[in-house]
Amino acid sequence: EVQLVQPGAEVKKPGESLKISCKGSGYAFTNFWVAWVRQMPGKGLEWMGIIYPADSDTRYSPSFQGQVTISADKSINTAYLQLSSLKASDTAVYYCARHVDPEALSSRFDYWGQGTLVTVSS
Amino acid sequence: QSVLTQPPSVSAAPGQKVTISCSGSSSNIGFTYVSWYQQVPGTAPKLLIYDDTKRPSGIPDRFSGSKSGTSATLVITGLQTGDEADYYCGAWDISLSAGQVFGGGTKLTVL
Repeated sequence: EVQLVQPGAEVKKPGESLKISCKGSGYAFTNFWVAWVRQMPGKGLEWMGIIYPADSDTRYSPSFQGQVTISADKSINTAYLQLSSLKASDTAVYYCARHVDPEALSSRFDYWGQGTLVTVSS
Repeated sequence: QSVLTQPPSVSAAPGQKVTISCSGSSSNIGFTYVSWYQQVPGTAPKLLIYDDTKRPSGIPDRFSGSKSGTSATLVITGLQTGDEADYYCGAWDISLSAGQVFGGGTKLTVL
């Protein structure tokens, strides 16, 4: 069974940093891109970027370029999303998802993590 | 403002049919395949339709997708109360700011 497991929730203060993990299992982790998707409270889905764990090739949405860092450790089947200098406006649910065929005609997300609720508050 | 445009809400009675539209442009829907996702409140999105019309294993045939030009449609027949959720369309955009784009989501209410 394909699974992407994320921590359920994180609480941070403004100015702090956070690295969210996404551990894959049940499939060849290095053979599929992993995406990060943000969902702000009451809002829709926003694609942040992707990483190919085999070689850590990374792409970012222009909206998030320079604001976040995506990385992966293929030895432990885990992808990461790093958020720095957190602001209250970073409060959101962050999902990782297996991204099939990005940059191609058949781009889709076939498996999703359960999401990490990040709350930034003083 | 989302790149893909969906109606904010739709509603119908149990057993009825509902359609959800998704409008884009030649750099996304008009060029690449569309996927659809169901998000029940408080849970992660789930892939419903990919490649415009295909259903992943386990998705009932009450859910179907179609596309014409730069617009796509999700149709749900035989509505059930469990279908009440938010629905999102998505596609890869090949413009200068290339990347995955989504619609703003449509809230389905089963009356």
